[in-house]
Amino acid sequence: GGIITQTPKFLIGQEGQKLTLKCQQNFNHDTMYWYRQDSGKGLRLIYYSITENDLQKGDLSEGYDASREKKSSFSLTVTSAQKNEMAVFLCASTSLLSSYEQYFGPGTRLTVL
Amino acid sequence: GDKVKQSPSALSLQEGTNSALRCNFSIAATTVQWFLQNPRGSLINLFYLVPGTKENGRLKSAFDSKESYSTLHIRDAQLEDSGTYFCAADIMSNYNVLYFGSGTKLTVEP
Repeated sequence: GGIITQTPKFLIGQEGQKLTLKCQQNFNHDTMYWYRQDSGKGLRLIYYSITENDLQKGDLSEGYDASREKKSSFSLTVTSAQKNEMAVFLCASTSLLSSYEQYFGPGTRLTVL
Repeated sequence: GDKVKQSPSALSLQEGTNSALRCNFSIAATTVQWFLQNPRGSLINLFYLVPGTKENGRLKSAFDSKESYSTLHIRDAQLEDSGTYFCAADIMSNYNVLYFGSGTKLTVEP
């Protein structure tokens, strides 16, 4: 087994501020993902990374940057926080060498003032 | 348009009854995952499916790739089954990029 941790759990920022969310996994998974969940909605993909230093854009990548510093960690940066992107951000990981099943972290809730 | 359409959007069940949730896919899906999101927001893995069926306790799920749908059956519903159920499909990607439905909010009442 393994676990995905996300920090911080709650993030409050000002409009226009640059904010960074972090994700760590100890599954030894190769592929990691960032999703955004708006209130009462399903998840939408922002970025994913199939290996260290790789980045691939999802449908919702505009306004975000990402960084895969090492195999176990994947960071997401909101480049200029806007009120309409208050949401929960969920990190996930999977191994494309085995089961492909995605496992999710507990999320970071972003509030923009 | 939505690639994954999930129904119903909300459902209320009496304890001990059965029900089914459904997802329809507008384009070809290769694998499907079902999740339960609990009140704290955590996503719990229920099923990972290639075409076929799986069963786990009171839950049973099926994925028909030719007819482009998946179902989740809940038997003998319990209070702890309450939450929001999501299906997600990998739509012909090499890297298991998931497209999510909008969820079914299930309330089980005594």
